[in-house]
Amino acid sequence: AQSVSQHNHHVILSEAASLELGCNYSYGGTVNLFWYVQYPGQHLQLLLKYFSGDPLVKGIKGFEAEFIKSKFSFNLRKPSVQWSDTAEYFCAVILNTGFQKLVFGTGTRLLVSP
Amino acid sequence: DSGVTQTPKHLITATGQRVTLRCSPRSGDLSVYWYQQSLDQGLQFLIHYYNGEERAKGNILERFSAQQFPDLHSELNLSSLELGDSALYFCASSEGRGGTDTQYFGPGTRLTVL
Repeated sequence: AQSVSQHNHHVILSEAASLELGCNYSYGGTVNLFWYVQYPGQHLQLLLKYFSGDPLVKGIKGFEAEFIKSKFSFNLRKPSVQWSDTAEYFCAVILNTGFQKLVFGTGTRLLVSP
Repeated sequence: DSGVTQTPKHLITATGQRVTLRCSPRSGDLSVYWYQQSLDQGLQFLIHYYNGEERAKGNILERFSAQQFPDLHSELNLSSLELGDSALYFCASSEGRGGTDTQYFGPGTRLTVL
C-alpha cells in the first residue's frame, strides 16, 4: 500500500542549528509532494510543495525541500532554526492525481530551545 | 487565517450520539475535503467533494457521512459515536477538482466522545 514515512518523530534542536527532516514515500507513479506545518493550537499551513521542475523547492519562512526521485524522498531543510519554528511538521503526498487524496506522514514534532 | 472556517471549535458528546460538523470553504473554492487527526491514526483523509458531488472516499466509516451544499459549505455527520471517534476533524478547501491544487486547512473541530 502507498505510504509516507517520516523517520524522526521527535527532534530537539537549539536555536541556530540546522534542520533536516526526512520524508520517504512508496509510490511508483507521478507524485505531488507537500510539507505542512502545524504550530501549537493552530491549523495546518502549507510550507512548500513540489509538482514538477526544479527538484529544490523553496518555501516560506526559510524552509526548502529537495525531491530525489531515485530515493523516493522529499526531505525538508532549514539552515538555521528559530524558537518560533517549534511545531509539528507533516510530509504529504497526493496519489492518483485525478483525485486530491492527500496521504500524510505521521508527523515530526520539532522543539527548538532558545 | 486560511479563509476556511469550521464550527464548532469544540464538541463534547456521549457515546451513541450523533453530531454534525460544519465547514465553509475559502471564497471561490469548489472542493472541500475532510480529514481526521487522532493520536493513533495520524492524519487520515476521509472524503472529498467537488461542487456538490462526491469525488473520492478515504478511510471513512459507514457511520460517517458528508455532503456539500449548493452554497459550497459542507457538513460531516458522525453517528453512533464511539470513544475511538474522539479526534480533531479538519476541513480543507481548494480551488479546483484535483491534481495540482493546494489545499487550505481550517482550524479544526475537536470532538470528544465520553
